[in-house]
Amino acid sequence: AQRVTQPEKLLSVFKGAPVELKCNYSYSGSPELFWYVQYSRQRLQLLLRHISRESIKGFTADLNKGETSFHLKKPFAQEEDSAMYYCAPSGGNTPLVFGKGTRLSVIA
Amino acid sequence: NAGVTQTPKFQVLKTGQSMTLQCAQDMNHEYMSWYRQDPGMGLRLIHYSVGAGITDQGEVPNGYNVSRSTTEDFPLRLLSAAPSQTSVYFCASSKRQGGVTEAFFGQGTRLTVV
Repeated sequence: AQRVTQPEKLLSVFKGAPVELKCNYSYSGSPELFWYVQYSRQRLQLLLRHISRESIKGFTADLNKGETSFHLKKPFAQEEDSAMYYCAPSGGNTPLVFGKGTRLSVIA
Repeated sequence: NAGVTQTPKFQVLKTGQSMTLQCAQDMNHEYMSWYRQDPGMGLRLIHYSVGAGITDQGEVPNGYNVSRSTTEDFPLRLLSAAPSQTSVYFCASSKRQGGVTEAFFGQGTRLTVV
């Protein structure tokens, strides 16, 4: 069965500290992986996708097929990064399956 | 370009009442989905559609119906509202390009059942 695990419900870091939001997945085949972000009182929006290999707002995520992980990282957290973050794999014709999310709180 | 539009934004229902949450997209996306968002539970898939006339159940379909008569619209019906259906509901659409691609979300509907 498709499964996504985000082990931390809440992650608090100080401004300027490094951030790592963990995501592990269990998925058949070769899924495409996404990170979505939801800022306070806003709709979910795509942050980045593994196939693009890009850095968005200073965030990067590397797909590790051996560990089936897709952790989200940023070297220096900013207050505006405070939000809910969701990891989501997708494969074939099925919709995105979301993890339970991690709330990132960046403390000034 | 409106993207994905959900109505209403807020709704209060009494137990046993029925209602329809509307979702429309103007991007000609094949895929549309409904999720509910609850604290500590993340986003759970209710129903989805891969094209007009085709729907399927997700993780938590009980108490909800959907239909997809057009590419643009994907309404979600609550048949007999229950307090357990108090949640924030999100509609999403995606383009089909060799599989599911980036999902675009509506702004959400906050539903309270009393």
